[in-house]
Amino acid sequence: DIQMAQSPSTLSVSVGDRVTITCRASQTLNRRLSWYQAKPGKAPKLLIYEASSLDSGVPSRFSGSESGTEYTLTINDLQPDDFASYFCQQYKSYPLTFGGGTKVEI
Amino acid sequence: EVQLVESGGGLVQPGGSLRLSCTVSGFTFSDHYMDWVRQAPGKGLEWVGRSRNKANRYTTEYAASVKGRFAISRDDSKDSMYLQMDNLKIEDTAVYYCASSPLLGSYYLIRHWGQGTLATVSS
Repeated sequence: DIQMAQSPSTLSVSVGDRVTITCRASQTLNRRLSWYQAKPGKAPKLLIYEASSLDSGVPSRFSGSESGTEYTLTINDLQPDDFASYFCQQYKSYPLTFGGGTKVEI
Repeated sequence: EVQLVESGGGLVQPGGSLRLSCTVSGFTFSDHYMDWVRQAPGKGLEWVGRSRNKANRYTTEYAASVKGRFAISRDDSKDSMYLQMDNLKIEDTAVYYCASSPLLGSYYLIRHWGQGTLATVSS
């Protein structure tokens, strides 16, 4: 199984900050990685797929990048609506696996 | 608007069975792969299994932890997917999410999620 090590588990930030979240895969993913946003009581939302492609309707302050087996989600100019949890997921091979999640809090 | 609604969760004893349903709207269900993902209390997300679409003969994949006990099926005429869970264990206690996986770019990947249904296995 491909292990996804996500860090940090918690981020304390302020509105307007730049946020960086990282997922490191135990094997090469060939960019087959997605990022999701989750809020309590709501369905998770796809932000980015194939490491850096923005899903439809996702604000451009969200971006994704890849360097080897390390994948990064960046949120520029953090907005109040962005306080949430974020997690990565690989779809290179079965079983699909998730990072442990990052909670972005004030 | 895309909607996925899970139902069928509840309390069941160890060794028992439960059948979850997921009914969708707002997209062409028959074109999509469909997944089940779960989250146990205080734990991270765990992928449970996948049903491919008709074009891929409705084949399925399962996590090792549920293989042989859980079965995914779907009825394209009802825009619905099911998760039959047998021989349930206490560690199967979780919120179960239904997710749709369209072809995005070159791959089928999880895009939309339901809000989940809680299955509790306890004596």
